[in-house]
Amino acid sequence: DGGITQSPKYLFRKEGQNVTLSCEQNLNHDAMYWYRQDPGQGLRLIYYSQIVNDFQKGDIAEGYSVSREKKESFPLTVTSAQKNPTAFYLCASSMPGLNQPQHFGDGTRLSIL
Amino acid sequence: AQSVTQLDSQVPVFEEAPVELRCNYSSSVSVYLFWYVQYPNQGLQLLLKYLSGSTLVKGINGFEAEFNKSQTSFHLRKPSVHISDTAEYFCAVSPMAGKLIFGQGTELSVKP
Repeated sequence: DGGITQSPKYLFRKEGQNVTLSCEQNLNHDAMYWYRQDPGQGLRLIYYSQIVNDFQKGDIAEGYSVSREKKESFPLTVTSAQKNPTAFYLCASSMPGLNQPQHFGDGTRLSIL
Repeated sequence: AQSVTQLDSQVPVFEEAPVELRCNYSSSVSVYLFWYVQYPNQGLQLLLKYLSGSTLVKGINGFEAEFNKSQTSFHLRKPSVHISDTAEYFCAVSPMAGKLIFGQGTELSVKP
């Protein structure tokens, strides 16, 4: 079945460490997205990529980095510069175009030890 | 700037009762509108979308929504809810390519 796979489901980080969240899709979608979800705040866009080897900052990119070397993969690195990284992270993908819905993975919950 | 407001953060209802989850948006341009559902510890699943045409849109699980351009609203309704509808619901607009703007979410709690 086609879909989006995020791993791991749960991730723990020590202070000062970088961690990388994985996102893989086999839907042949061109566009991919990373969101952060905090209770009562909805989803906020971190980064998005509309094509391989290109990506743009979203609304809350500070302390995060991404790469898009393959169409299927869009990993997110949470760096030590992100002062409040504890959150639920969601990856999504879509076909290009305003009217295309986004398809979501099941998320990674990141916690600080 | 575009924004989405979900007017209720929590909506408790009894099983088999009707429900309406309210969503208002602000945008100076034409938008596409979506409703998503999120079950605990899962990602979001598309319920329905409004792109153009009929203002009444039917989605999965018996949900429907009505687009009202003059009131800039896109309220979600279901005539009779089930326990399994307990989840968080998000309204979103797509004012430009590559960006979805989400509301804060509404927690629907269905009680027996």
